[in-house]
Amino acid sequence: KQEVTQIPAALSVPEGENLVLNCSFTDSAIYNLQWFRQDPGKGLTSLLLIQSSQREQTSGRLNASLDKSSGRSTLYIAASQPGDSATYLCAMRDANAGKSTFGDGTTLTVKP
Amino acid sequence: DTGVSQDPRHKITKRGQNVTFRCDPISEHNRLYWYRQTLGQGPEFLTYFQNEAQLEKSRLLSDRFSAERPKGSFSTLEIQRTEQGDSAMYLCASSLTQGLVEQYFGPGTRLTVT
Repeated sequence: KQEVTQIPAALSVPEGENLVLNCSFTDSAIYNLQWFRQDPGKGLTSLLLIQSSQREQTSGRLNASLDKSSGRSTLYIAASQPGDSATYLCAMRDANAGKSTFGDGTTLTVKP
Repeated sequence: DTGVSQDPRHKITKRGQNVTFRCDPISEHNRLYWYRQTLGQGPEFLTYFQNEAQLEKSRLLSDRFSAERPKGSFSTLEIQRTEQGDSAMYLCASSLTQGLVEQYFGPGTRLTVT
């Protein structure tokens, strides 16, 4: 059974700082990994998707990496802004591209 | 281009009542997923469909829960005899079955059982 852990549960940083969010998983037999952003009381917005055969993906100030051998993924946010404040969730898609298993998220606060 | 839509957005019901939620996926997506999320937790998988076939159900989906996707388009999730523990955000997502298979989520239905 896949288990996904995100550490830390909460993070507060000053504006402009670069930061890394961590995600670890127990089963490397995955189809892909997605990072999502969730604002309070809202649905999930997809940020980045990494296929099982890939090592990283970049979009703007975001970079996500995947290391299946160590069971880890990271989301790097460059030059953080107050608008980046949200909860960030990682999700591992099972090998059949069926269900996803989510971590409990990291709640990020970027202070002006 | 419309994304995934869910209706209603909020539902307040009394314990013991039945409720039904609807999800309309992105039109060309043949996979549809239901998840449940409680405060401070990540979404938990409930069930998913490929076209009209229900391919997997979680053990979380008790006998009081039923989901359908009769024509392979929209889906409904029904909860019978609601309990206070059913209070949660119910999220729907859709995806293709080929290529990136990226999941797109709807805004969710917030259920409060009093």
